[in-house]
Amino acid sequence: AQSVTQLGSHVSVSEGALVLLRCNYSSSVPPYLFWYVQYPNQGLQLLLKYTSAATLVKGINGFEAEFKKSETSFHLTKPSAHMSDAAEYFCAVSRGSNFGNEKLTFGTGTRLTIIP
Amino acid sequence: KAGVTQTPRYLIKTRGQQVTLSCSPISGHRSVSWYQQTPGQGLQFLFEYFSETQRNKGNFPGRFSGRQFSNSRSEMNVSTLELGDSALYLCASSLPGLARIPDTQYFGPGTRLTVL
Repeated sequence: AQSVTQLGSHVSVSEGALVLLRCNYSSSVPPYLFWYVQYPNQGLQLLLKYTSAATLVKGINGFEAEFKKSETSFHLTKPSAHMSDAAEYFCAVSRGSNFGNEKLTFGTGTRLTIIP
Repeated sequence: KAGVTQTPRYLIKTRGQQVTLSCSPISGHRSVSWYQQTPGQGLQFLFEYFSETQRNKGNFPGRFSGRQFSNSRSEMNVSTLELGDSALYLCASSLPGLARIPDTQYFGPGTRLTVL
């Protein structure tokens, strides 16, 4: 079975400060990992994904994440927070399949607040 | 390209009724997945359809069902509604994906179902 754990259901950072959202995974097979963002009353938007090509993954809106197998982590970072980054962030894992897509298993989410 | 569309956006039903939600995937996408999002349980996978066949199913009772049409549009149905079925129902579409590597799932804005 696969799972992800997001540490911190709420994170607050000042505008311009570093954003760090934590995600640890558990998987019996090499995982595929994702970060999604959800703005109020909207669906999920993919920020970035890890599919074993490179351990440092760059995504949209200045976000990036690093896959660390030894730490079973896939933390999301952004050097300088912007007010528009306020949203809920979800880490997700998939095991992949020879038949194409497998389900995403999501973490419980981290609500990011930006302090002006 | 138009994104994933879901109709209706909002629904209010009473206990015991049934409901049908609709999802139109991005043009060319053949896989459609459904997720339920609630404050208590978070994001949970319902099922996935590909080429009109259900490929994966989550741990939901048989009251939850779905189908996919030849044009890849999908519907999900919930019969005998319960209060606990109140949730945001998200649909996601994707290409079939390469072997083992999951393709990106693009989410619609969701249907907000309220059961009274």
